[in-house]
Amino acid sequence: DAGVIQSPRHEVTEMGQEVTLRCKPISGHNSLFWYRQTMMRGLELLIYFNNNVPIDDSGMPEDRFSAKMPNASFSTLKIQPSEPRDSAVYFCASSLGYGGGSYNEQFFGPGTRLTVL
Amino acid sequence: AQTVTQSQPEMSVQEAETVTLSCTYDTSESNYYLFWYKQPPSRQMILVIRQEAYKQQNATENRFSVNFQKAAKSFSLKISDSQLGDTAMYFCAFEDSGTYKYIFGTGTRLKVLA
Repeated sequence: DAGVIQSPRHEVTEMGQEVTLRCKPISGHNSLFWYRQTMMRGLELLIYFNNNVPIDDSGMPEDRFSAKMPNASFSTLKIQPSEPRDSAVYFCASSLGYGGGSYNEQFFGPGTRLTVL
Repeated sequence: AQTVTQSQPEMSVQEAETVTLSCTYDTSESNYYLFWYKQPPSRQMILVIRQEAYKQQNATENRFSVNFQKAAKSFSLKISDSQLGDTAMYFCAFEDSGTYKYIFGTGTRLKVLA
């Protein structure tokens, strides 16, 4: 398996532009997580899905952020409009999820480094 | 709410020596899971070791082992025979067994010196 795939790996955009980050989880995994990593705040969970349904989006910073999972093999995290303070590394992770066993190891993608100028 | 604390922002160790990274957590649950992840400069998050709270035996993976003290809510990582490739950020994580969410600590930056 190729692991969790994220695209793009790097994104540079200007303030006010729309940004879309993409994630393909490991086949057969039922849970998908979006994280944001910054020096100031560390690793923050933004939202997670189980069986394509958003379960907890309490970590989404504000209405400018939205996430979708239209099917089991694809998810997007959109920022509209983007601001310089959104600059961070965004990780997607997947796990077997509910019913997956005694624990649920999360497998992380390589991350997308977002820079908003 | 669960919290995870890593009190050592940075550490260094000589190659071939042993180093211990600390992690404490707070929870009211009795069944949960704990993990150590490594993040090298490539920024890829790599699972190092896991511990199930209901198991008293400390987990071991080659040069990596944990000291799990459930009553004290402590979960430290010991790296033996440190290698240059162990240089990375290390994150302790708590898995909420009800929601499968991870709560991460703030990380410890470990540098292995030649």
